[in-house]
Amino acid sequence: GAVVSQHPSRVICKSGTSVKIECRSLDFQATTMFWYRQFPKQSLMLMATSNEGSKATYEQGVEKDKFLINHASLTLSTLTVTSAHPEDSSFYICSASPFGGSTDTQYFGPGTRLTVL
Amino acid sequence: SQQGEEDPQALSIQEGENATMNCSYKTSINNLQWYRQNSGRGLVHLILIRSNEREKHSGRLRVTLDTSKKSSSLLITASRAADTASYFCATDAQAGTALIFGKGTTLSVSS
Repeated sequence: GAVVSQHPSRVICKSGTSVKIECRSLDFQATTMFWYRQFPKQSLMLMATSNEGSKATYEQGVEKDKFLINHASLTLSTLTVTSAHPEDSSFYICSASPFGGSTDTQYFGPGTRLTVL
Repeated sequence: SQQGEEDPQALSIQEGENATMNCSYKTSINNLQWYRQNSGRGLVHLILIRSNEREKHSGRLRVTLDTSKKSSSLLITASRAADTASYFCATDAQAGTALIFGKGTTLSVSS
């Protein structure tokens, strides 16, 4: 079955540093990937839609200069949390939609837990 | 933005009992999906029901969809302790677009 990986799975950083999270589709190509954020005991909130070769589309309230998204290839999207602060501590999950299909199923990565001290 | 609500927010039952969770959404959908998430872990896809379907089964899971009421229910029969998790419904407006998640139901099954 389709597999999406995320790296790292867990990261702890100091306030003010930047953290890059990778989302890879391992056995399929994805023109579109999605980034979600989940705070403790809450649901997943869509942050942005990442399209290969073009700028990401951000949801209302999500700062594009703080959460930089790069979708440079059909198998990789990266989310960089710039100048991270404790309030950015969260569980970040990506999903990928296979290229060329009208598939209804998105494939989710295992998530990255970010803790900002 | 979140599409809708799930109820109950929390549900505690004994092993062997059935668990029913409900989900409501606000806009027209392409399909509705249910996911499970164990504490601190990623999502596990459970079942997908299309907008033109009314009921679907998968093992101990039964999902219904009422598009006129914009609601869905997930029934887990003969629950087990291993079913303890959070359950989320998610909808998309069309294939390949982002999923919008409900707030989730936290299910606790005690043995």
